[in-house]
Amino acid sequence: DAKTTQPNSMESNEEEPVHLPCNHSTISGTDYIHWYRQLPSQGPEYVIHGLTSNVNNRMASLAIAEDRKSSTLILHRATLRDAAVYYCTLNAGGTSYGKLTFGQGTILTVHP
Amino acid sequence: NAGVTQTPKFQVLKTGQSMTLQCAQDMNHNSMYWYRQDPGMGLRLIYYSASEGTTDKGEVPNGYNVSRLNKREFSLRLESAAPSQTSVYFCASNRIPLGGLRVTEAFFGQGTRLTVV
Repeated sequence: DAKTTQPNSMESNEEEPVHLPCNHSTISGTDYIHWYRQLPSQGPEYVIHGLTSNVNNRMASLAIAEDRKSSTLILHRATLRDAAVYYCTLNAGGTSYGKLTFGQGTILTVHP
Repeated sequence: NAGVTQTPKFQVLKTGQSMTLQCAQDMNHNSMYWYRQDPGMGLRLIYYSASEGTTDKGEVPNGYNVSRLNKREFSLRLESAAPSQTSVYFCASNRIPLGGLRVTEAFFGQGTRLTVV
């Protein structure tokens, strides 16, 4: 299974944009890039996903490199409620079904 | 809309005891998963069920068994608990369209915190 690499931690100030990077140099052509976040004492929560094109939703934006070897999750205006562990995962289709491979994630700290 | 429901939320077992973790989803999803999360770590896949009637091993299946009871329910059983199985267990589900070429978002339960002493 392809792996992802993320920084262990990042910090931001409230209401500033946050760019969370992820490297996935061994990604295959059918792997979707998914981002989840985990608030303290909760299960992971879906944030966004994409295949090749950049994606936007109400929570965040996902920028995918042209070669797909890296991606960046963008929180446009961080709030205190965005403090969480953010996981970049590869979600394979086909015979691998929807299995998610989680790395250690990035701990995001948001300062007031 | 309950989503994914796990029971129990907390459990303490003695070494060698057995127990079953229950998971149910009400979103008509065909695929279900069991993950474990150790302190400071990401989630690791134990077992998954791509559809009703099928189950397959994930990354760390040793010491566990699963049953896909019906489309809604997927249980995880520890036959003889060991301290190394102390962890937080998460159940998840998603819908895999026919052909499996496009994968939808996964929904996770709130977790079961298991301590084996």
